[in-house]
Amino acid sequence: QVTLKESGPVLVKPTETLTLTCTVSGFSLSDARMGVSWIRQPPGKALEWLAHIYSNDGKAYSTSLKSRLSISKDTSKSQVVLTLTNMDPVDTATYYCARVGLARDAFDVWGQGTMVTVSS
Amino acid sequence: DIQMTQSPSSLSASVGDRITITCRASQYISNYLNWYQQQPGKAPQVLIYGASTLHSGVPSRFSGSGSGTDFTLTISGLQPEDFATYYCQQTYINVKTFGQGTKVEVK
Repeated sequence: QVTLKESGPVLVKPTETLTLTCTVSGFSLSDARMGVSWIRQPPGKALEWLAHIYSNDGKAYSTSLKSRLSISKDTSKSQVVLTLTNMDPVDTATYYCARVGLARDAFDVWGQGTMVTVSS
Repeated sequence: DIQMTQSPSSLSASVGDRITITCRASQYISNYLNWYQQQPGKAPQVLIYGASTLHSGVPSRFSGSGSGTDFTLTISGLQPEDFATYYCQQTYINVKTFGQGTKVEVK
């Protein structure tokens, strides 16, 4: 069974750096054609794609957030890590990780999401 | 970036209705278009990928069509569990953008 689970702080202060971990099971991050994305959703708003890491360690970032984002993976730990610097209250959102497991890079399995609030 | 525009933003419908949601890409994306359904408080779930391929386990009342820049999601015979928010997503380029969502509400 393929699962993904997000973990990280519930509350961060403005200007701090957010670090989130997505721990996967049921597949390997080195499997060909497998990749993991991070997506976020502010309360009551739409999904926003943030970043993606490919099995060959290639990376892609949201153009608007590229300067603040970093994605990496530790295949031995089955973890994908997202960092977002200089947090602001507008970054308050539920953060999801999701696996690309279908043709056309569709996300077939999502984590449950983790809510992050930015407040002093 | 490729912008994805969904219409309408929301719609009211009744059980049994046939509804159509459209998604337009700001540039050519072939059939790199996926549809997701999100229930309140839950993570999204894929319905259709590659514009028209139904994901395993998704009821056949859902269908997708289109290619290039214009796409549609149709639900034929709306069921109570279909009242939710629907998102399109393009994956033609590495920056994988979503539409703004369409909320399907009970009339």
